[in-house]
Parts: sequence; C-alpha cells; structure tokens
Amino acid sequence: AQSVTQLDSQVPVFEEAPVELRCNYSSSVSVYLFWYVQYPNQGLQLLLKYLSGSTLVKGINGFEAEFNKSQTSFHLRKPSVHISDTAEYFCAVSEPGSARQLTFGSGTQLTVLP
Amino acid sequence: EAGVAQSPRYKIIEKRQSVAFWCNPISGHATLYWYQQILGQGPKLLIQFQNNGVVDDSQLPKDRFSAERLKGVDSTLKIQPAKLEDSAVYLCASSSSPGDEQYFGPGTRLTVT
Repeated sequence: AQSVTQLDSQVPVFEEAPVELRCNYSSSVSVYLFWYVQYPNQGLQLLLKYLSGSTLVKGINGFEAEFNKSQTSFHLRKPSVHISDTAEYFCAVSEPGSARQLTFGSGTQLTVLP
Repeated sequence: EAGVAQSPRYKIIEKRQSVAFWCNPISGHATLYWYQQILGQGPKLLIQFQNNGVVDDSQLPKDRFSAERLKGVDSTLKIQPAKLEDSAVYLCASSSSPGDEQYFGPGTRLTVT
C-alpha cells in the first residue's frame, strides 16, 4: 500500500526567501506524484505533477519539484516566495492502475512573513 | 469552463441528525470523487464513481454514509446518523477519466455538535 509523509507540518519563511517543502513516499511500484495547494476556504488546486521523464518538474506560480527515486522523495521548492504563497500544500501519490486513486500526505502549512 | 460546484458550503448539525451534500462536477467529467478532510489531515478518499457506477467505496463507513450518482452527473453524499467524529470538510472532485487531473470543489464544512 502506498503512503505519503510530509515531514514538516508548518514552515514559516520570510518574503523573498527560498523555501523547500519535503515529501517522502512509500510504494512497491512506480508511482505518479503530485503537489496540490489549498488556499483558505477553497478546494485543492494542482501545482505540478510527475508522471515520467525528466525528474525536475516545473509547475504554476514559480514552483518546481524534483523526483528522487533512490530517496523516494518529491520535494517542492520555490526560489523566492511571496505573501500570496501562504497556503496549505499537499503531496499526493498515485499508483498506476485502473482506478489511479490519490493518497495524500497530511499537509504543510506555508506561512510567508513580511 | 465552470468548476466543480458544491452545496451547502457550511453545515452545523447535532449528533444523530442526518445531512446531505450535493456536488455538480465539471461538464463531461465521467469520474467523480468524494473526500473527507479532517482538520490537520490530508483528504481521504471515501468513494469513487465512474459515470453512475461505484469504482471503489472501500473507505466509506457504509453503516452511516451513503452516496449516489444516479444519472452519471450530479452526486449526493449522505450521513445518517452523524457522529462527532464526522466533523470535517467534504470535498468533491471530478476528472475526465481515472488518472487524469482531478479538479476540486470548494468543499462543505460540516460541524457536528
């Protein structure tokens, strides 16, 4: 069974500083990986996804993530954050198959400070 | 393109009462999902529909939760009777097919007192 661990529940960072949100997964097969963002009182929005190919994936709003198969990680990074990036970020994994359901981590609250 | 619509946005009920949530997916999306998101946790899949058929309801507490998607479009999720531990945000999502990008609605925040 697949599982996702987000190592930091809260990450405070100053505006214009870089940030990394960590995600590790466990699965016995090749997986698809996703990062979603959730702003207050809103649903989840897809930031980026890794299905295959290049291990460095670029997403919306200047975010990128790197798939590391040997370390079973998919960390999210942004070189310079803005106040508007304050939100909850969820890492998710999906195993290939007919249903391809998502299993989510517990989330990381990113708070950007002025 | 209209997004996934959910109603109501907020609901407060007492334990042992019943409640229903409604979801209208993106037009043409055959796959519909209901998730439960407890405060401080990630969303957990409750049930997945493909058109009007159930693909997976293994994590749905069937003694109190039920869901239907009769015409393969709108869906309703019902809880009867509610327990305190059902307090959560209930998210609906849809995709054109399994494995495609899921689009989420704003959710219904349920508080059981």
